[in-house]
Amino acid sequence: AQKVTQAQTEISVVEKEDVTLDCVYETRDTTYYLFWYKQPPSGELVFLIRRNSFDEQNEISGRYSWNFQKSTSSFNFTITASQVVDSAVYFCALSDTYNTDKLIFGTGTRLQVFP
Amino acid sequence: EPEVTQTPSHQVTQMGQEVILRCVPISNHLYFYWYRQILGQKVEFLVSFYNNEISEKSEIFDDQFSVERPDGSNFTLKIRSTKLEDSAMYFCASRRARQGGEKLFFGSGTQLSVL
Repeated sequence: AQKVTQAQTEISVVEKEDVTLDCVYETRDTTYYLFWYKQPPSGELVFLIRRNSFDEQNEISGRYSWNFQKSTSSFNFTITASQVVDSAVYFCALSDTYNTDKLIFGTGTRLQVFP
Repeated sequence: EPEVTQTPSHQVTQMGQEVILRCVPISNHLYFYWYRQILGQKVEFLVSFYNNEISEKSEIFDDQFSVERPDGSNFTLKIRSTKLEDSAMYFCASRRARQGGEKLFFGSGTQLSVL
């Protein structure tokens, strides 16, 4: 069965701190995709990144970086030099490629960045 | 960037009433979805729709729920007789192709409150 675990329910940091949001997944599939979505206070779901299971290269996009480690089934997300605008709920999600096209979401991590 | 549009943003209804949530997916997309998020909980898959029929549905999507693409642009979710536990944020989503890694675009959601 597929499952996504985000053990951190809430994280609080002060602006300019670095913060890492953890994501651990379970799947029996050898080919799958992982996603991160941001949900700001306004409620919409904003796509941040997708990564396929064959590409373990870490990715950096500005202050955001993602660390995909197949050996530990983790896909962690780091925000460097956090800003107040980063305050949101962040969801990690998993999708396999064969049986279904639905996304399985984790429970989300609420990040609060204080000035 | 193209957007998925949902209306209304908020809907309040009495228990037992029928509601229709509306969505306009991105115009060249072929696969359509409804997800929901009960307050403070994770985002859950409800149903996927392609070629004018349901391709997959979750256990949540019982006989009280139905989806329709009445014309070339709208995609609707109907709840026939609402229950208190249907109160949630409902997200419509669409994507161009079914492959698991294809980016899923979400609308900004309809907050449904059942009284």
